[in-house]
Amino acid sequence: QVLLVQSGAEVKRPGASVKISCKTSGYSFTTYYVHWLRQAPGQGLEWMGLIHPFHGKTDYAQKFQDRVTMTRDTSTSTVYMELSSLRSDDTAVYYCAKHRDVSMVYALDYWGQGVLVTVSS
Amino acid sequence: DIQMTQSPASLSASVGDRVTISCQASQDISNFLNWYQQMPGKAPKLLIYDASHLETGVPSRFSGSGSGTEFTFTINNLQPEDFATYFCQQYDDPSTFGGGTKVEIK
Repeated sequence: QVLLVQSGAEVKRPGASVKISCKTSGYSFTTYYVHWLRQAPGQGLEWMGLIHPFHGKTDYAQKFQDRVTMTRDTSTSTVYMELSSLRSDDTAVYYCAKHRDVSMVYALDYWGQGVLVTVSS
Repeated sequence: DIQMTQSPASLSASVGDRVTISCQASQDISNFLNWYQQMPGKAPKLLIYDASHLETGVPSRFSGSGSGTEFTFTINNLQPEDFATYFCQQYDDPSTFGGGTKVEIK
């Protein structure tokens, strides 16, 4: 079955960076985009960007353009999201999610379990 | 960014009711809209894509309609497992979500 398993919770100081992994299985890793999203406590969802695992091309939301880096490792079918210059308002649950098909419909059919990143001094 | 205004923010309903949620886009997004269900502490689940297409395995009591700037999500014959929060997502440019609608038991 399709699985996306994310790394564990993180606690970071303001100004630090965090790198979260998302290990995928059960489907052709290099065929489908993987998206990253986040959800602050009690809030709605925020799209951060995506990566295509075949060639590594990325598309970031303008808000995160200068702070986020998405990469992949095809040997382990894993994608990574690194967010730098962390602030307290970056405290959120971070999700990876698989693009549903090979079209440009940003429908996300499988999700990781989410990773809580807490930014606090 | 395209703003998605979702309403109501919450509603109370009973098992068997029909529930309707609206999502309004700040500009024309054609049919580039999806709907998700989220249970507390869980990741969202895709229900509807391209405004009106039911995702595989999702019960037919869920439906979506609309195009342009006005969209509607409907649950017919509300079931106990449907009490959750629902989000719309536009992916015209590039992607933003509505604020969510929490469906609670009356």
